[in-house]
Amino acid sequence: QQPVQSPQAVILREGEDAVINCSSSKALYSVHWYRQKHGEAPVFLMILLKGGEQKGHEKISASFNEKKQQSSLYLTASQLSYSGTYFCGTESGGNNDMRFGAGTRLTVKP
Amino acid sequence: DAGITQSPRHKVTETGTPVTLRCHQTENHRYMYWYRQDPGHGLRLIHYSYGVKDTDKGEVSDGYSVSRSKTEDFLLTLESATSSQTSVYFCAISGQINYGYTFGSGTRLTVV
Repeated sequence: QQPVQSPQAVILREGEDAVINCSSSKALYSVHWYRQKHGEAPVFLMILLKGGEQKGHEKISASFNEKKQQSSLYLTASQLSYSGTYFCGTESGGNNDMRFGAGTRLTVKP
Repeated sequence: DAGITQSPRHKVTETGTPVTLRCHQTENHRYMYWYRQDPGHGLRLIHYSYGVKDTDKGEVSDGYSVSRSKTEDFLLTLESATSSQTSVYFCAISGQINYGYTFGSGTRLTVV
């Protein structure tokens, strides 16, 4: 089953913060986050493993609450280069087969 | 993308014809995946492989088959293409469980 992402779209000004949420109806082993620019392939940002850890990547970080089966991606002091569609991917069965959410389109304006 | 290539990049085919898409990797990664991407649906898993000749179905496998006879190649075949299979197809690779995926550049397939 695909995870559910929210919001579907968000528009920011440079320097503003955003949070993207990802929730699943199944117990999760791991959560991945990817960013895709228009016309390009998705690019891996980070992975969070079962255990509720929080990870960071530049000014982009994420948390994973395995009890709630949720993950959130935090983008702070957004830059124009952050624009794109963000996907969460969840893996539930331990088979390394990931399901992706429908995506969140992030637009950062000057 | 470095280490993974998809071919062809674009293809137009007629309804009812078989089509094969190729994914080739030079990373010697164990796991390979085929996804399709459609507006509003994100990326949906078609089939995946966890080793040579070891494959399994994803969530949208009907009408598709795969083969992996060598570590480096993962083929996706549309047995009889339909207009509903018009999509962008992405291949992805992963070295091991709990590693990020690297995606190929995609194949844009149009079935007319």
